[in-house]
Amino acid sequence: QSALTQPASVSGSPGQSITISCTGTSSDVGSYNLVSWYQQHPGKAPKLLICEGTQRPSGVSNRFSGSKSGNTASLTIAGLQAEDEADYYCCSSVGRYTWVFGGGTKLTVL
Amino acid sequence: QVQLVESGGGVVQPGGSLTLSCATSGLTFSSHGFHWVRQAPGKGLEWVAFITSDGSNKYYADSVKGRITISRDNSKNTLNLQVNSLRAEDTAMYYCAKDRGKLWLDPWGQGTLVTVSS
Repeated sequence: QSALTQPASVSGSPGQSITISCTGTSSDVGSYNLVSWYQQHPGKAPKLLICEGTQRPSGVSNRFSGSKSGNTASLTIAGLQAEDEADYYCCSSVGRYTWVFGGGTKLTVL
Repeated sequence: QVQLVESGGGVVQPGGSLTLSCATSGLTFSSHGFHWVRQAPGKGLEWVAFITSDGSNKYYADSVKGRITISRDNSKNTLNLQVNSLRAEDTAMYYCAKDRGKLWLDPWGQGTLVTVSS
């Protein structure tokens, strides 16, 4: 159950777009759209942003989008806003009943 | 509105035990699987355990297998996590979260903090 690989930090200026990668293996990220993404502000619980790799739950801004290529999933945030400054985590099922998170990426809005 | 509220955290001595609870409302509890996820101070999220809707199947991360037991009481709409032989590395915020199709976790509770210290 090795953690998925995410960059430790990314940054961008307001209005810009950034992408956070999440690299796994053919057993997790590379499988059917199993990846979900979560946003966590300091002192708060994680919040679902993207499910099934690309789907946005109701209420999540369309500035957030997910994609996948091979064993790497990506979260793109368009039109960066100050409120987007947070930690972001990817998560994937591994096999039928095990889950693994990425190490997390700290987004700084300059 | 679905709500999950954890409780039971606190300061525990190494080697001790603790049972965490997650009270739920706004959903048909017995229809859903649930997860426990923990986060050590300043660290990332770590999946800990999953229980199926009827409680018949339970799954654990290798890092906690043998020391942690997940359970549920469908008559009380409550999820539990018993942690035994506590170690310093078990110090973390423990979150419960509702499973969706074994694909994603939503929503999450606000967490309960466990501190293992003498």
